[in-house]
Amino acid sequence: EAQVTQNPRYLITVTGKKLTVTCSQNMNHEYMSWYRQDPGLGLRQIYYSMNVEATDKGDVPEGYKVSRKEKRNFPLILESPSPNQTSLYFCASSPAGGLEQFFGPGTRLTVL
Amino acid sequence: GIQVEQSPPDLILQEGANSTLRCNFSDSVNNLQWFHQNPWGQLINLFYIPSGTKQNGRLSATTVATERYSLLYISSSQTTDSGVYFCAVEGTSGTYKYIFGTGTRLKVLA
Repeated sequence: EAQVTQNPRYLITVTGKKLTVTCSQNMNHEYMSWYRQDPGLGLRQIYYSMNVEATDKGDVPEGYKVSRKEKRNFPLILESPSPNQTSLYFCASSPAGGLEQFFGPGTRLTVL
Repeated sequence: GIQVEQSPPDLILQEGANSTLRCNFSDSVNNLQWFHQNPWGQLINLFYIPSGTKQNGRLSATTVATERYSLLYISSSQTTDSGVYFCAVEGTSGTYKYIFGTGTRLKVLA
């Protein structure tokens, strides 16, 4: 089944403890992206990747890192999480930039 | 950057009613999608529609790119249509950044 998977789906952590949220797609898509969703603000793009080893900032990249070493994986790294990063995170992929995006199930992160 | 506005922000309908949701954007776009976020938080693709008209069952969408808006029509609404509807656009600047609107929250009453 064609899909975007994210792990973990739920995470509660403490301020400053490094964490990684994984994202994987099995559709051989070139483009991948991370978003965060906060009440009243809709979804905002954190980072995106046009292809392996090609990443770029979205609208809210501060406090996040990403890497794209393989086409199928696009992990989101929070090196020192803070409470204002408590949010619902979505990963998405697309055959290429400008085409239809497909979203993962979301990861609900709470930073205490 | 490009601005995306959705209206109305909230909508309550009786089951069986029709509705129109609107998405306005401030600049030319390469890509426009409509999504439904169900009460469990899942984002479901409805339409990829940078221009023209598409239909899928009770839902249809029209994008008039030259006038910078898109409409999502829901006919004969059902309680399962409840949730939040988002439009998202990618501008023509070539950066492949996506901008979401803040959504229309729809509640369909039985």
